[in-house]
Amino acid sequence: DQQVKQNSPSLSVQEGRISILNCDYTNSMFDYFLWYKKYPAEGPTFLISISSIKDKNEDGRFTVFLNKSAKHLSLHIVPSQPGDSAVYFCAASEGTGNQFYFGTGTSLTVIP
Amino acid sequence: EPEVTQTPSHQVTQMGQEVILRCVPISNHLYFYWYRQILGQKVEFLVSFYNNEISEKSEIFDDQFSVERPDGSNFTLKIRSTKLEDSAMYFCASSEGDRVGAQAQYFGPGTRLLVL
Repeated sequence: DQQVKQNSPSLSVQEGRISILNCDYTNSMFDYFLWYKKYPAEGPTFLISISSIKDKNEDGRFTVFLNKSAKHLSLHIVPSQPGDSAVYFCAASEGTGNQFYFGTGTSLTVIP
Repeated sequence: EPEVTQTPSHQVTQMGQEVILRCVPISNHLYFYWYRQILGQKVEFLVSFYNNEISEKSEIFDDQFSVERPDGSNFTLKIRSTKLEDSAMYFCASSEGDRVGAQAQYFGPGTRLLVL
């Protein structure tokens, strides 16, 4: 049951350009969303979050946009750096629960 | 910077054997979690633990699984009788607060379990 989907398994971007990673969800009860970054042989690292009361959250080079009507969120990285090369997961949860539903991840490669 | 640690990094076991995966959460954190990621698939929530009891669990977390906080520092996941499909990377995570503070879920490096 894929409640959270990341339809692009991979993305390549030139250094300095914008990286846009997309995530779609099916459960309209989801109200809290996170993006994680994962390097090989390491656990996921929290990047940025957004709650459903907002449509945008920004933290340095990272911005998350939420479109509730489309059940879509995206992560923008500007400017992209080679160190950003990793797998990015979006995750969502509903209500007061601690259970997060993860997407399958998008592997980002930033080309120097 | 404090971090979540997990041991062992790799575990190979025979089908039907019991395995215990160990985690040391960040010391001032109160909420603990186990996730797994089967190779090539998404990260899946297994269980959350607070105040010495399970607060939430997924359908994956059946009677073969159990969690325990045997002392003040360790958090363990036990699989009683492993199956081939239990082969996965298991991640432990901890957070200081509940879901409101869920952005501070810190993950360990994972234990890769291979069931033969």
